[in-house]
Amino acid sequence: AQSVTQLDSHVSVSEGTPVLLRCNYSSSYSPSLFWYVQHPNKGLQLLLKYTSAATLVKGINGFEAEFKKSETSFHLTKPSAHMSDAAEYFCVVINSGGSNYKLTFGKGTLLTVNP
Amino acid sequence: EPEVTQTPSHQVTQMGQEVILRCVPISNHLYFYWYRQILGQKVEFLVSFYNNEISEKSEIFDDQFSVERPDGSNFTLKIRSTKLEDSAMYFCASSQTTEAFFGQGTRLTVV
Repeated sequence: AQSVTQLDSHVSVSEGTPVLLRCNYSSSYSPSLFWYVQHPNKGLQLLLKYTSAATLVKGINGFEAEFKKSETSFHLTKPSAHMSDAAEYFCVVINSGGSNYKLTFGKGTLLTVNP
Repeated sequence: EPEVTQTPSHQVTQMGQEVILRCVPISNHLYFYWYRQILGQKVEFLVSFYNNEISEKSEIFDDQFSVERPDGSNFTLKIRSTKLEDSAMYFCASSQTTEAFFGQGTRLTVV
């Protein structure tokens, strides 16, 4: 089975500084990986996805992630944090096969942005 | 833009009662899912549904739970004889293939 590990439960940054949210995956073959964001009292929104095309993936709101097979990592970055980025972020892997595309979530990283 | 809609947004129920959580997936999607998130914990897979039957279910999804697609649009999760530990946010999702679209969730509180 595939899994993801989010290395930080909480990351705090100042507005305007870079964001790095770390994620490592475990998979016996090339995975499909996603980052979802959850704002307070809101649903889960897809930020970006990697599905074996370009290793550097650009998403919404200026976020991007790089798939590094040698490091089994899929870290999420943004050059400059905005107050509206404060939310919980989930790294997710697909366990596909058969008749479904089940998602396995990491434990989440809470991003706090300080003024 | 098409979206997954869930009702109600909040549900409070007494322990032992039955609840039905409702979802309207995106119309041309083929795969349907329920996930739950207990407060402070990670999002957990409950069940997937394809071609009018359950395709996979987790250990959490025991006989207390059931899913239905009663018509062409709705996808429901029924929880019988609710327990305190069923209190959670329940998310419905649908997909054509790899990209899942989530609803806003139903916050279930069992008292």
